[in-house]
Amino acid sequence: GAGVSQTPSNKVTEKGKYVELRCDPISGHTALYWYRQSLGQGPEFLIYFQGTGAADDSGLPNDRFFAVRPEGSVSTLKIQRTERGDSAVYLCASSFGGGHGELFFGEGSRLTVL
Amino acid sequence: GIQVEQSPPDLILQEGANSTLRCNFSDSVNNLQWFHQNPWGQLINLFYIPSGTKQNGRLSATTVATERYSLLYISSSQTTDSGVYFCAGGFGNEKLTFGTGTRLTIIP
Repeated sequence: GAGVSQTPSNKVTEKGKYVELRCDPISGHTALYWYRQSLGQGPEFLIYFQGTGAADDSGLPNDRFFAVRPEGSVSTLKIQRTERGDSAVYLCASSFGGGHGELFFGEGSRLTVL
Repeated sequence: GIQVEQSPPDLILQEGANSTLRCNFSDSVNNLQWFHQNPWGQLINLFYIPSGTKQNGRLSATTVATERYSLLYISSSQTTDSGVYFCAGGFGNEKLTFGTGTRLTIIP
């Protein structure tokens, strides 16, 4: 597609439920990033993929969070046993990689945990 | 990790005014980018500017890498310039660390 696509745009769930958020990057971009943004804050890094592998997952807050990118394109962020504090906008970005790090963001997935 | 400080936190201007936004980094970076987050939450990449000066229409940016800061200039502001401006820095393709942003409001 022309831009980074994220689904769903909005997700409301109950505490304790499992959630999956999907990101489809710009075609040809090898690097993919997940960020989380809370109200009034800047985006906070979660995980970075180069190809299929997670090159840096140091931003994942705990083991309830996991992300995959099995074919080096689409990525899924998975959150188990959701908590109210997980409520935020989850942003995905992609770039060409190879040293050219200009990031292009999707519109985000707004997660609300009740 | 890298700390990113942005100033001012808030800026209210009349349409047509000029503005300068600043970003300071606690450590050297070789990947520095400016973004505009519009009122609908979409983050738009404005500049990839690890050093030097770039211009795009009414917007320009300058990064002085040796002194670890970058400036974003907006001239002849329009109401569509309103939103939050973020700078972010890092190394190569590694994670970018974002500042807390400058909220710009342009009054007609």
